[in-house]
Amino acid sequence: GAGVSQSPSNKVTEKGKDVELRCDPISGHTALYWYRQSLGQGLEFLIYFQGNSAPDKSGLPSDRFSAERTGGSVSTLTIQRTQQEDSAVYLCASSLSPARYEQYFGPGTRLTVT
Amino acid sequence: GENVEQHPSTLSVQEGDSAVIKCTYSDSASNYFPWYKQELGKRPQLIIDIRSNVGEKKDQRIAVTLNKTAKHFSLHITETQPEDSAVYFCAATGNTGNQFYFGTGTSLTVIP
Repeated sequence: GAGVSQSPSNKVTEKGKDVELRCDPISGHTALYWYRQSLGQGLEFLIYFQGNSAPDKSGLPSDRFSAERTGGSVSTLTIQRTQQEDSAVYLCASSLSPARYEQYFGPGTRLTVT
Repeated sequence: GENVEQHPSTLSVQEGDSAVIKCTYSDSASNYFPWYKQELGKRPQLIIDIRSNVGEKKDQRIAVTLNKTAKHFSLHITETQPEDSAVYFCAATGNTGNQFYFGTGTSLTVIP
């Protein structure tokens, strides 16, 4: 079946512009995670959604970052006024239920801020 | 929050030898410990996981051991092959169960 998809696969933007990154989780997966992976680094947790519950935003690095999940499915990560340090691969993952099952990762969006 | 440390950061082994990667965690409430493999330019994929009610789990050439008292867990790969070359990440769930705290990764190179 279809896996987790993300779009765009690559995004180049100028410093100061806003960007939106999209994640389509696997159908039926209630948990959705966003991570950031900088070059040669590990995965940094950003935000977690579970069903209709309030999201866990504790990993968002600044108030320039926000995320939504509409209808318990598609999620959008928005970065406002992008900075060069925002350049990274942004990975989305979904799982059948929170923190008890395998996370399936999307291919990521490579964001480059010039 | 949880703090996961992973060692070594790089590891080179001869084909056929074993590789061991170790992780420690800080939050005794963590109860789920997955290992992910990430090949160059690809997404992380789960290779094995262990829950806190077991001490060891094996899947063909891969095994994971967990010591809850010492708060460490390890990945063991036996009879390594060149296709095992990748970056491996460990993770722990922390006390909320909502988040996954990842280690910084181990770059494994298997030399033919």
